[in-house]
Amino acid sequence: DAGITQSPRHKVTETGTPVTLRCHQTENHRYMYWYRQDPGHGLRLIHYSYGVKDTDKGEVSDGYSVSRSKTEDFLLTLESATSSQTSVYFCAISESSLTRGNTEAFFGQGTRLTVV
Amino acid sequence: GESVGLHLPTLSVQEGDNSIINCAYSNSASDYFIWYKQESGKGPQFIIDIRSNMDKRQGQRVTVLLNKTVKHLSLQIAATQPGDSAVYFCAEKHFNKFYFGSGTKLNVKP
Repeated sequence: DAGITQSPRHKVTETGTPVTLRCHQTENHRYMYWYRQDPGHGLRLIHYSYGVKDTDKGEVSDGYSVSRSKTEDFLLTLESATSSQTSVYFCAISESSLTRGNTEAFFGQGTRLTVV
Repeated sequence: GESVGLHLPTLSVQEGDNSIINCAYSNSASDYFIWYKQESGKGPQFIIDIRSNMDKRQGQRVTVLLNKTVKHLSLQIAATQPGDSAVYFCAEKHFNKFYFGSGTKLNVKP
């Protein structure tokens, strides 16, 4: 398995509270992603990063912010959690190089977040 | 935005039979495609990939076919086993972002 660690693995929080999910990689990959997975929607991109301090929005970014201060860490923050943000969150990493071209995304094990 | 979809949400096959899972993608400029397998409680795992300059790629018991004319991708699993039971996703890569379909659940009957 690719060296990706998500923490926490499970969290229950109350509506209106801030929540931060952490993704840590040991692969030194340039690209990092946060997805959410909901029944009937598959995996939807929240935010992604293409380098330290370089981030961009994905398909469902409203209510989420991210930060990447180091290559290995990508944080996802819910500033004020809502019940609609109850989901399973996956972090992924990817690399692209001149020698290998496109490569696949590797996923972490996921964080199950419940907002009550 | 990108759109990657699957034709069949659930597929049931007999153990030993071949399975075919289909996928349609929307962006003709996507240059890289991947199939993932996801087991319950786990993250998606890479199965096989194909680049846009290829039509077919084979792995161990799996084959991916790409038809760029109709923007269609398929995953063939030979001699399907109970361990193949999972949800399968196709994904397309565009500008270093991956876009996924909603998935197909494969049930393998013993």
